[in-house]
Amino acid sequence: DTGVSQDPRHKITKRGQNVTFRCDPISEHNRLYWYRQTLGQGPEFLTYFQNEAQLEKSRLLSDRFSAERPKGSFSTLEIQRTEQGDSAMYLCASSSPGGTEAFFGQGTRLTVV
Amino acid sequence: GQQLNQSPQSMFIQEGEDVSMNCTSSSIFNTWLWYKQDPGEGPVLLIALYKAGELTSNGRLTAQFGITRKDSFLNISASIPSDVGIYFCAGQPGGYQKVTFGTGTKLQVIP
Repeated sequence: DTGVSQDPRHKITKRGQNVTFRCDPISEHNRLYWYRQTLGQGPEFLTYFQNEAQLEKSRLLSDRFSAERPKGSFSTLEIQRTEQGDSAMYLCASSSPGGTEAFFGQGTRLTVV
Repeated sequence: GQQLNQSPQSMFIQEGEDVSMNCTSSSIFNTWLWYKQDPGEGPVLLIALYKAGELTSNGRLTAQFGITRKDSFLNISASIPSDVGIYFCAGQPGGYQKVTFGTGTKLQVIP
């Protein structure tokens, strides 16, 4: 078990470009979460999957954001037409069936210039 | 988005001192979690609490689940330089797994 893995660790993009991040959860964890964290703040919930089903999306997740987990394993988070306000750390976490403890990856730091 | 209130917001302490921080919420939670985050890294789970009034230790760390279910406390005894970081509380309501995070307490330890 290598923990939650996120790729890339860092991404710099120009405003208006699309970006996609990947998260590989801990194996056999059926729940997967995406959070966003800006400087000086705690992580804020974006969306949550149980297996391949996306069960909740935060109002923070505008229509430029889309998340998928097609086979119930890894997940992707895509941001279209990035804006400077999208600059943040994007964190992925997973938890086991029936588990209440969420384990986080190292995050993807996005900088929009 | 909704966040829990943590205090203090930041603290400087001398190595060897004990540290206390707390977290309050307007909502009831059935699980309280405490995480530590180093710069540029994801949060690392320190302690999980599942029952009102529960007191749980992990080495020099002790956390308590408040009896009102609206607060939690974390104590660090005999602080060392590697305790430096940001400590976040997080709460989970019963029957649903979304974790709501606190505003964080930044701890700095002076050797």
